[in-house]
Amino acid sequence: GAVVSQHPSRVICKSGTSVKIECRSLDFQATTMFWYRQFPKQSLMLMATSNEGSKATYEQGVEKDKFLINHASLTLSTLTVTSAHPEDSSFYICSARGTSGRLGNEQFFGPGTRLTVL
Amino acid sequence: KQEVTQIPAALSVPEGENLVLNCSFTDSAIYNLQWFRQDPGKGLTSLLLIQSSQREQTSGRLNASLDKSSGRSTLYIAASQPGDSATYLCGRSGGGADGLTFGKGTHLIIQP
Repeated sequence: GAVVSQHPSRVICKSGTSVKIECRSLDFQATTMFWYRQFPKQSLMLMATSNEGSKATYEQGVEKDKFLINHASLTLSTLTVTSAHPEDSSFYICSARGTSGRLGNEQFFGPGTRLTVL
Repeated sequence: KQEVTQIPAALSVPEGENLVLNCSFTDSAIYNLQWFRQDPGKGLTSLLLIQSSQREQTSGRLNASLDKSSGRSTLYIAASQPGDSATYLCGRSGGGADGLTFGKGTHLIIQP
């Protein structure tokens, strides 16, 4: 149990286009989802926290107008990178947390999405 | 600012050895701490979760401890195997609704 999927796993796009990444909790309801990014040879950095039905909370230095997050249901959150540029190329990973018990204490991570902007 | 530090940054040992990976954090107000492994180009696999009220957790050959007073956690790997080769990350949560703050990881190589 507690499986999180991401789609797509890999995307290559041209500079200036927008890219949407989906994060789904497959077998539990995720009241909270988190978005992280990881640059080469760096650790994961939290970008934003999203709660179902409310606006996302962004970490300092993350542009909310560039990284649009929607958490419209208890099993789906999306991250849209708008007007992507080469410096946005990174590994984007989501995680999800449920409501109670183990699901409420632990974060379960998706497999990540590799974004390359040409 | 919360900081998480992992030592060593890299480690290479022969198969069969027992080893310890270290994680330290500056803010002792911790909710829980998770240890993960990450294979190259892949996502995170959760290994162990230690809640603030716990001192250690065990799963198979892995044992993780938490000392809040000193701001440290260790991951002990017994009888290491080549399949254990990966980057090991620790992530600290300061509250139930908080995301994780990660260290830079320990890149582990187990030599056959």
